[in-house]
Amino acid sequence: DIQMTQSPSTLSASVGDRVTITCRASQSISNRLAWYQQKPGKAPKLLIYKASSLESGVPSRFSGSGSGTEFTLTISSLQPDDFATYYCQQYNSYPITFGQGTRLEIK
Amino acid sequence: EVQLVESGGGLVQPGGSLRLSCAASGFTFSDHYMDWVRQAPGKGLEWVGRIRNKANSYTTEYAASVKGRFTISRDDSKNSLYLQMNSLKTEDTAVYYCAKSGGYQAFDYWGQGTLVTVSS
Repeated sequence: DIQMTQSPSTLSASVGDRVTITCRASQSISNRLAWYQQKPGKAPKLLIYKASSLESGVPSRFSGSGSGTEFTLTISSLQPDDFATYYCQQYNSYPITFGQGTRLEIK
Repeated sequence: EVQLVESGGGLVQPGGSLRLSCAASGFTFSDHYMDWVRQAPGKGLEWVGRIRNKANSYTTEYAASVKGRFTISRDDSKNSLYLQMNSLKTEDTAVYYCAKSGGYQAFDYWGQGTLVTVSS
C-alpha cells in the first residue's frame, strides 16, 4: 500500500497568511493526487486534482504542485472560511489512500 | 445539480449486517465509477471500495480491512449505489460517504454521509 504522510498535522495561522501543506507518498504516484477540504460535520470537498488542477468553483487562492512523491497545497491568502482540515489522497493504485489530515486553525 | 444521498445507517450489533444505499441524481450515473469512503469518529478518511461502470464490467476493488465482508453493487436503472456490510465489527463504526469519481478519478462529489454504529 502507498502511505501518504502530511505535514504538519496542525497549523496555526492568521487571516491573510500564506500557508503550505506538504504531502509525501511512500512511492511515486506520478501526478495522481487530490486535495480535499473538510469542515466539522460536513463531507469533504474536492479542491485540487491531478496534483495541480483547480476544481471548478474553487477560489484561485488555492493551488497545488508536485509530482512523484512530494506535493504541496498552498493557500495564498487565508480567508476565514479556509479554517478546516485538509487531506491529500493518492489514486494512482489500489488501495486508494489518504493522508492523515492537516488541521488548519486560527492563531 | 449533482446530489448523492446516503441512507440505511444505524445501530447494529457486532457480527450483524447492514445495507447502505446512495441515491444519485444530476449526472449520468451509469457512466461513472462510484466509491465508498468512511470516517470513524474523530479520525481521518478511509477508502472502503469502488465499483466501476458497465463499460468496465462493474468490477470492484476493496480495502483490505473490509474485503470478504463488504460488497459494493449498483443498479444503474435506479441510479443507486449500495454497500452490503456483513460480519460487522466495532471498528467499522463510522460515517459512510458515497462519492462520485470524476474524469480524473478524484472524488468530485460526496454525499452527506450516514452513520453506522456497531455496538452491543
